[in-house]
Amino acid sequence: QVQLVQSGAEVKKPGASVKVSCKASGYTFTGYAMQWVRQAPGQRPEWMGWINGGNSNTKYSQKFQGRVTLTRDASASTAYMELSSLTAEDTAVYYCAREPLVGATQFDYWGQGTRVTVSS
Amino acid sequence: QSVLTQPPSASGTPGQRVTISCSGSSSNIGSYSVSWYQHFPGTAPKLLIYNNNQRPSGVPDRFSGSKSGTSASLAISGLQSEDEADYYCAAWDDSLSDDYVFGTGTKVTVL
Repeated sequence: QVQLVQSGAEVKKPGASVKVSCKASGYTFTGYAMQWVRQAPGQRPEWMGWINGGNSNTKYSQKFQGRVTLTRDASASTAYMELSSLTAEDTAVYYCAREPLVGATQFDYWGQGTRVTVSS
Repeated sequence: QSVLTQPPSASGTPGQRVTISCSGSSSNIGSYSVSWYQHFPGTAPKLLIYNNNQRPSGVPDRFSGSKSGTSASLAISGLQSEDEADYYCAAWDDSLSDDYVFGTGTKVTVL
């Protein structure tokens, strides 16, 4: 069965960076994209970007351009999201979600979420 | 961020039908397919509807989606207590930078 397992909760100081991992299993990693979405307390989900699991092409939300880096290790079926220059406004739960590379947009499987807290 | 507007809340008694609207524009719903996600706080969101009206396998047929012009809607028929959750619509938006945008969210309460 498809599973996306994310790394554990993080507490970071303002100005630091955080790197969240998302290990996929149960499907061919290179046949799908990995989307990254975050949700701050009381807010709607917010799309951050996506990475093509096959060729590593990426697309970032303009809001996070320059601060977020998405990478993947196909041999380990793992995607990574690194966010730099953290501020308190980056406190949120970060999710990875699988999306087929062809067909209609659908974030069909999600990771369990990684809570990132930014506090001095 | 472009806004997909949803009513903040909706409610119904068990067995009733509840409909949630999602209002957008020509740069998002008017041009792209709509998805709907169910979210229980503390858990991962779940895809309910994609491509406006398609249900992934395992999603009960009590959930249905539709789209017309720049608006979309999610209907829950035969409302059950376990349907009490937050619901978000989502679509691509090309007004500024091709972002994927989520709606403002609707909390469904089963009375």
